[in-house]
Amino acid sequence: EVQLVQSGAEVKKPGESLKISCKGSGYSFTNYWIAWVRQMPGKGLEWMGIMYPGDSDTRYSPSFQGQVTISADKSLNTAYLQWSSLKASDTAMYYCVRLSSGTPDYWGQGTLVTVSS
Amino acid sequence: QSALTQPASVSGSPGQSITISCTGTSSDVGNYKLVSWFQQHPGKVPKLMIYEGSQRPSGVSNRFSGSKSGNTASLTISGLQAEDEADYYCCSYAGGLYVFGTGTKVTVL
Repeated sequence: EVQLVQSGAEVKKPGESLKISCKGSGYSFTNYWIAWVRQMPGKGLEWMGIMYPGDSDTRYSPSFQGQVTISADKSLNTAYLQWSSLKASDTAMYYCVRLSSGTPDYWGQGTLVTVSS
Repeated sequence: QSALTQPASVSGSPGQSITISCTGTSSDVGNYKLVSWFQQHPGKVPKLMIYEGSQRPSGVSNRFSGSKSGNTASLTISGLQAEDEADYYCCSYAGGLYVFGTGTKVTVL
């Protein structure tokens, strides 16, 4: 069974760094693109970027380029999304999603990130 | 890369059919078959309802159907049921990346 299990909710202060994770199981992790999607409170879904764990090819949506870093550890079947300096506007639910033949098919359960002083 | 345009809300009575449009450009919806539709109930994870424009994943009701014409994709829900009340998002490949629609709230009257 394909599963994407994300790390737990985080509460951080502005300016702090953060790295959240998404562990894939039940499939060949290195052979599928992984995407990160943001959903701010009460708002719609936003595509942040995608990574191919097999060769670390990474692409960011223009709005998120330079704002976050997407990475992966093939040995742990885990993808990561990180911030070097959080802002209050980063408060949101973040989902990792597997892409199969170009279709976002399996979603993680989401990680809620709250940034507040 | 702008979000695809969806109506903010669509409503219908039980048993009726409704259609949600998703308008993009020749750089996304109009140029690729990779258009998906997602259903999201409040506080829940989005669920894939349609992929490649018109394909239904296993387990999704055949009351849900998708189509595309030019730069506009559409999701039709027939025989509307109370459980269909949710937010719906389209998503299109856009050459190297993807873009979501603005989202549509479906209300069952």
